[in-house]
Amino acid sequence: NAGVMQNPRHLVRRRGQEARLRCSPMKGHSHVYWYRQLPEEGLKFMVYLQKENIIDESGMPKERFSAEFPKEGPSILRIQQVVRGDSAAYFCASSPGDDYGYTFGSGTRLTVV
Amino acid sequence: DQQVKQNSPSLSVQEGRISILNCDYTNSMFDYFLWYKKYPAEGPTFLISISSIKDKNEDGRFTVFLNKSAKHLSLHIVPSQPGDSAVYFCAASGNEKLTFGTGTRLTIIP
Repeated sequence: NAGVMQNPRHLVRRRGQEARLRCSPMKGHSHVYWYRQLPEEGLKFMVYLQKENIIDESGMPKERFSAEFPKEGPSILRIQQVVRGDSAAYFCASSPGDDYGYTFGSGTRLTVV
Repeated sequence: DQQVKQNSPSLSVQEGRISILNCDYTNSMFDYFLWYKKYPAEGPTFLISISSIKDKNEDGRFTVFLNKSAKHLSLHIVPSQPGDSAVYFCAASGNEKLTFGTGTRLTIIP
């Protein structure tokens, strides 16, 4: 039973490029959450999705960031026109929706150069 | 607005002694609290949780205490082991999402 799979583990992008981060939830989990951890900071909520629906995107920056969780395939966090301040570890978590605990993936470390 | 606070960024404890990590919260609507442990280059892993209707939950060497009136919870690890060295995050559940503290780096000294 594979856990939450995130890829790539490391991603380097030049300023102005696009970054696409993928997350495959655990089998049977229909709820996906994205968190961001900036250097020396805690985990900050970004967005909560269920299949084909964005439930809560209150933590998403208004510009350049978007997320989706299609009917088929992984959840995608997309960052357009990346800037140096986007450099961070991005963690995805999933849950079956019937309890409070999440299972986290190992994260994608985005570096913008 | 930091709703969940871990005021100690780091803590060092001798192996075999008790480690006590603290967490404070401000939102009285939080109804469930969790502790996660994180090693470098890995995602957080769930450690232990407590419902707001309880004041204590124990799992092996780990015990979480909740003081609702003070809006404070703590994680006790006893006896502390070298493998416990990690960053510990406190999290609170509300509105179907978790709000995390900034973490405490625990170092167990052999």
